[in-house]
Amino acid sequence: AQSVAQPEDQVNVAEGNPLTVKCTYSVSGNPYLFWYVQYPNRGLQFLLKYITGDNLVKGSYGFEAEFNKSQTSFHLKKPSALVSDSALYFCAVRDMKVYNAGNNRKLIWGLGTSLAVNP
Amino acid sequence: ETGVTQSPTHLIKTRGQQVTLRCSSQSGHNTVSWYQQALGQGPQFIFQYYREEENGRGNFPPRFSGLQFPNYSSELNVNALELDDSALYLCASSPRQGTPAGEQYFGPGTRLTVT
Repeated sequence: AQSVAQPEDQVNVAEGNPLTVKCTYSVSGNPYLFWYVQYPNRGLQFLLKYITGDNLVKGSYGFEAEFNKSQTSFHLKKPSALVSDSALYFCAVRDMKVYNAGNNRKLIWGLGTSLAVNP
Repeated sequence: ETGVTQSPTHLIKTRGQQVTLRCSSQSGHNTVSWYQQALGQGPQFIFQYYREEENGRGNFPPRFSGLQFPNYSSELNVNALELDDSALYLCASSPRQGTPAGEQYFGPGTRLTVT
């Protein structure tokens, strides 16, 4: 079965320190991977995606993610955390199941990781 | 280019009632997906609409139904509301075919409380 795992419910980091939010996946074939961020009482905002090409993907707000096929991971990183980065982070993978029409854009989501950046 | 909008922002209903949630997709997007996000959980896929037809469904009972209109806006209808239906309902639109697959643009959500 296709799935996404975010092994940490919460990550705490001091402002200015590097941060990593972990994600592992299980899909058949080549994965399309995504990171989204959710601020309190807000919808989800797209951060970055990996479809093909360079394993290091750069996204919004200084975030980047590294695709590692052998470890089936797609960890989110940032060299220097800001207090304003505190939010809920979701990793997602595109469902490879084929539907009848259109591009299949259903996403399978992890449970989320709460990031707290302390001043 | 306008973003994805949802209405209402908050809603309180009683168990057994029916509710309709609305979503206007981003300009040029022809695919709309609906998700349910319970407190402390990730989004759960309800269904997706592409060109006014259902194009995939998650593990939700038939009392969850939807519509997509010619202008690609969408409705989510839930009948016979249960307490467990209390959640944030998210609508996401996707660009038309030919653009990178999977990237979705989310609305702010509708917070439904069933009492």
